[in-house]
Order: sequence, then structure tokens, then C-alpha cells
Amino acid sequence: NAGVTQTPKFQVLKTGQSMTLQCAQDMNHNSMYWYRQDPGMGLRLIYYSASEGTTDKGEVPNGYNVSRLNKREFSLRLESAAPSQTSVYFCAISPGLGTGELFFGEGSRLTVL
Amino acid sequence: AQSVSQHNHHVILSEAASLELGCNYSYGGTVNLFWYVQYPGQHLQLLLKYFSGDPLVKGIKGFEAEFIKSKFSFNLRKPSVQWSDTAEYFCAALTGGGNKLTFGTGTQLKVEL
Repeated sequence: NAGVTQTPKFQVLKTGQSMTLQCAQDMNHNSMYWYRQDPGMGLRLIYYSASEGTTDKGEVPNGYNVSRLNKREFSLRLESAAPSQTSVYFCAISPGLGTGELFFGEGSRLTVL
Repeated sequence: AQSVSQHNHHVILSEAASLELGCNYSYGGTVNLFWYVQYPGQHLQLLLKYFSGDPLVKGIKGFEAEFIKSKFSFNLRKPSVQWSDTAEYFCAALTGGGNKLTFGTGTQLKVEL
């Protein structure tokens, strides 16, 4: 989906290391989201940003921080990675809250050793 | 708390067989429902959605879903599956004032030739 770009696509970290996942969109949508996908658990919302300048916690925010840098960019930071954060992370966007129609990026596979 | 349940975790069908994937939600108020699909190695994409009106909604690629309010269900159907329908299917519900999309745990569908 050219509209949502995530970097990096793959990353291996050691426990305790930090890293930032970047997400950028070119669809001029207001809302941006970070989900994690784990086998048998579906997608769980980590954080979301309804609009530029606002962020809110989702279901599983512990161990993460986010930053909505501008309308285009929404980053997810792991300050001290843990093996439990091994997952596939998806950034998603939508025109606004209440639409439910999300456009997803291709995902970032993170492994924490 | 709002939840979405998908009881079929893995489904294997032969081509041309009919498909029905179950989805139940737990929420008594107004709810908007969605089915997303994730083809192998790809990001999630919207299959169909229900907001109001006709409880039988049609989506892309011949899929449809029926909203049955009395059963809190939104099952996905397709009369005749194809090998290319092999994917993981996620049911999702939009509640909480429209702020968050809650996903089920997913159903892995494998269609055999």
C-alpha cells in the first residue's frame, strides 16, 4: 500500500536496546494507529492519534511511546525492548475516527532476543 | 469491555466449497462491523463493512456478510471459494464512540485444489 510506508521492515534487537519504528502516509488522513499482530491474538491496538498533536493509549500501550510529529508521520518507540515485544507491527491510517476503514502499511517484523 | 470472537481458528476447504466464518461481538449499543483479509505476506485490507441499513452486505471478491443483531453475529460467507482465497480473515467492531477498532483473533483459511 503505497499510501502508508513503514520503516524498517525487519529488525532484530537485544533485550534492553531501544528503537523507533517510523510510519509515514501520503493520503492526508487525520487518524493514525499502531497495532501489533501476534499468532492467535489477532491485532491489538497499541496507540493511536486522532489528529495531529494528539495521541491516546490503546489496549496494550505498556513499554511503548509514540509521537505524532506532523500530519504525515507517526512513530512508535521502544525504550527498552523485551522479548515479549517480538511481534509484527502495523501502522494504519483512516480519514477520521468513526470510519473504521483502515489502510495498513506492510508491517515491520521485530525480533527481540 | 467490547470484544470480538472468532471461534474458527483454522479452516480447510476444497475449491468450490461454500464458506462461512463465524464472528460474534459483545456490545449492546450501536456497533459497526467489518471483515478484513490478510493474504500471505501482505497487509490487511478491507473486505466489507456494515454500518446500518440492509443487514446483508456484499464486499469484494464475492464475499458477503450478514448482521444478525439478535445473535450478536456478523458471519462471513462465500458460496464457492477459490484457491486464491487462502488468507487470514479478521472480524472487527467499531465501538467506544468510534475511536477504536477491535479485532478478533482471526481465522486462517486454507483452500486446497
